[in-house]
Amino acid sequence: NAGVTQTPKFQVLKTGQSMTLQCAQDMNHNSMYWYRQDPGMGLRLIYYSASEGTTDKGEVPNGYNVSRLNKREFSLRLESAAPSQTSVYFCASSEALPGLSHLHFGNGTRLTVT
Amino acid sequence: AQSVTQLGSHVSVSEGALVLLRCNYSSSVPPYLFWYVQYPNQGLQLLLKYTSAATLVKGINGFEAEFKKSETSFHLTKPSAHMSDAAEYFCAVSDDNAGNNRKLIWGLGTSLAVNP
Repeated sequence: NAGVTQTPKFQVLKTGQSMTLQCAQDMNHNSMYWYRQDPGMGLRLIYYSASEGTTDKGEVPNGYNVSRLNKREFSLRLESAAPSQTSVYFCASSEALPGLSHLHFGNGTRLTVT
Repeated sequence: AQSVTQLGSHVSVSEGALVLLRCNYSSSVPPYLFWYVQYPNQGLQLLLKYTSAATLVKGINGFEAEFKKSETSFHLTKPSAHMSDAAEYFCAVSDDNAGNNRKLIWGLGTSLAVNP
C-alpha cells in the first residue's frame, strides 16, 4: 500500500520556468491538500480539495494553481517560478469521517528556484 | 481565533531520559488536537490525536499526551528517549469537525535531539 506518492522528489528551476508537482493517493480519500514547509514558518496550506471536482484556496495560494484530476490525483502547478517559492512541498490526504480525521502525507518535493 | 504555540524550537535529551515537548493552544470550542512527527527527509506522520474520548492519549512508539483544558495544553511525553526518536515534532489544533483539515492550525515545530 503506497499511501501518498509525490513526484518528483527534487527539482531545480530557474526563475520564470513552470512545472507541475504530481500527487496521487491510493487510500480512496475524498480530501487532498498541498502544503509548503519553510524553516521557522511551519506548514502552510496552499490549496485543498474537499472532494473530486472541487478546489479551494488555502493560506498562501498566490503563484500556484491546482487540478483535482480525479479522486486519486491532485496536482500543483507553478506557472512562473520565483525564488520565494523555494520550499519543500507536501501533498496530503484525509478521509471524510465523522469528526476530524488525520492527514496522510507524502514524502515531499524539494524545490529550489534560482 | 485558534492558535497553537510550541514552547522550545529545539529540545535536547540524553538517551533514556524523559522527553517532554510542550504545546499550548487556544480555541473557542472543544478542539481536536494532534501531534505529528517528521523524520529527516520524510513527510509527517500521525503520532497521536485527541478527540475528546479520553484526556490521556497514547500514540505510536511509546509517546503519549494529556489534554488539560484548564491549562489549554497538550504536552507530549515519552518516559525514556531512544536515539530513533530524533525528529521534528509538530502540534496542530482544529475546531472543525466537518471532516477535512482545511482549518488545521500548525505549531512551528520542535526539533528533538537525542544524545548518546
